[in-house]
Order: sequence, then C-alpha cells, then structure tokens
Amino acid sequence: DIQMTQSPSFLSASVGERVTLSCRASQNINKYLDWYQQKLGEAPKLLIYNTNNLHTGIPSRFSGSGSGTDYTLTISSLQPEDVATYFCLQRNSWPTFGAGTKLELK
Amino acid sequence: EVQLVESGGGLVQPGRSLKLSCAASGFTFSNYGMAWVCQAPTKGLEWVASISTGGGNTYYRDSVKGRFTISRDNAKNTLYLQMDSLRSEDTATYYCARLTTEGFAYWGQGTLVTVSS
Repeated sequence: DIQMTQSPSFLSASVGERVTLSCRASQNINKYLDWYQQKLGEAPKLLIYNTNNLHTGIPSRFSGSGSGTDYTLTISSLQPEDVATYFCLQRNSWPTFGAGTKLELK
Repeated sequence: EVQLVESGGGLVQPGRSLKLSCAASGFTFSNYGMAWVCQAPTKGLEWVASISTGGGNTYYRDSVKGRFTISRDNAKNTLYLQMDSLRSEDTATYYCARLTTEGFAYWGQGTLVTVSS
C-alpha cells in the first residue's frame, strides 16, 4: 500500500493568515491526490481533486499543488469556518488517506 | 441535491454479523460507482470497499477480504455492506460515498458500528 504522511499534525493560525498543509506519498502518485475537510461531528467533504481542481462550491481561497510524491493544500486567508481536520487521499492505487492535519485558530 | 443516508449500525458481539445500508437520492444511482469508508473513534479514514456501477466489479481492503461483502440494488437506489465475522478492530463509523473521476465526491453522515462483548 502507498503510505501518506501529512504534516504538521496540528496547526494553529490566525484569521487572515496564509496556511499551508503538506502531504507526502511513499511513491509517485501521478497527481491523483485529493484533499478533504472534516469538521467536528461531520462527514468529510471533498475540497480539491487531482491535486489542483476545486470541487463544486468550494471557496477560491483553497488551492492545491504538487507532483510526484509531494503535495500541498493552501488556504490563502484563513477564515473561522475553516477550523477542521484536513485529510489527503491518494487514488493512484488502492485508496489510502493521510492521518490528517488538525487546524485550529490562534 | 445528492443525498446519501446510511443505516444499520449498532452494537454487535465479536464474531457476529451486521448489514449496513446506504439509501441514495438526488442523482442517477446506477451511473456511479460507490464505496464504503470507515473511521475508527478519534482516528483517521480508511477505504473499505468499492463497487462498480452494475455491481459486477468489487474491491476490498485486505483486512476485510473474505469477511465483508459490498453490493448494490440499482432498482432500490441502495448500497449495502454485509459485515461477517466482526472483530473489535472493525469498530468505526462507516460512511458511504459516491465515486466519480473527482474521487469520493459526496458522503453520507455515517453509521456507527461497535463490536464489543
């Protein structure tokens, strides 16, 4: 199985701050990398698919980039409603998720 | 509006069985592959199984092969997960999700399965 490593595990940031979350795969995943947001007590929600494509209805402050084994989710200006845990998922082979980054407000 | 509603979770003893259902609405169910994803308490997400549009192709993670069976009834717009020989490590919230080229594009709210004596 492809292992997905997310960093950091926890992140505290201020409203309006630019936030960057990382995800590293144990091998090349050919940009088949998605990002999900999960708020407390809710189901995960797709934010970005195939590295840099915004899912329907997702605010443009979210963006993704990367290639090969290294991928990034960026929130250009953090909003209070962005407090959540963020998971990456690779679909290049049998799907595997990262352990998540918990994002909190400072 | 895409809606996925899971049901069938509960408390079950180790070694027993449970069948989960996922009722779909708001889209043409037979046009989409579907999947089950689980999340153990305070843990991360794990893909469990997937099924093709017609049900002819199914895929499982290694830890559930031979114990879980994913199936679908396109006439009833419903996805199922038959869970046999349950273990304590199967305790989790189980989500159904609609598959597209965008990945796990839509999720249900989940149903909790607790395996304990």
